[in-house]
Amino acid sequence: GQQVMQIPQYQHVQEGEDFTTYCNSSTTLSNIQWYKQRPGGHPVFLIQLVKSGEVKKQKRLTFQFGEAKKNSSLHITATQTTDVGTYFCAVNSGGGADGLTFGKGTHLIIQP
Amino acid sequence: DGGITQSPKYLFRKEGQNVTLSCEQNLNHDAMYWYRQDPGQGLRLIYYSQIVNDFQKGDIAEGYSVSREKKESFPLTVTSAQKNPTAFYLCASSISGTWNQPQHFGDGTRLSIL
Repeated sequence: GQQVMQIPQYQHVQEGEDFTTYCNSSTTLSNIQWYKQRPGGHPVFLIQLVKSGEVKKQKRLTFQFGEAKKNSSLHITATQTTDVGTYFCAVNSGGGADGLTFGKGTHLIIQP
Repeated sequence: DGGITQSPKYLFRKEGQNVTLSCEQNLNHDAMYWYRQDPGQGLRLIYYSQIVNDFQKGDIAEGYSVSREKKESFPLTVTSAQKNPTAFYLCASSISGTWNQPQHFGDGTRLSIL
């Protein structure tokens, strides 16, 4: 089945520092989605990447899809307290594979 | 407002008891999903339905059952066969059942054992 590893599990940063989380798969992916879950909340869709080498930006967030479509990253520039939460990647391998497989998430903790 | 409504927010189950979690959506989405989230973990797919009157098992379907008699409703029953039911249960929906559509989540139900 589909497997995905997300690192790091926890990341503590000072407010204003940058943050990056990585999502790695052993198989080629059809698409990857990123979600954010605030403490006590539910996951909220951020973005989807489908093309090899794709880069998308949302304000201070930059999302990249690797050339081989096996990995992805989410980078936040100059973190703010509103960025606190857990960031999940969710992948599908295509080819009839059913389901989105979620990574275990990276918990972002920001110290003011 | 359009969205997904899950109820109840908190639920307690006694040993040997079946409980049903409600999920209703007014987004006119074809596909609906149930996930289980354990502390510090990602989401694991229990069941999904790509169209009304049809549903499929996900990765951890044992001890759970679902129905999809109406497009807007996808209730999940946690049966007594599920020996470790304590978790956060999330319902989601998407426009279609292809795996390249964003999923919209409800606020979740926290289930605990008495």
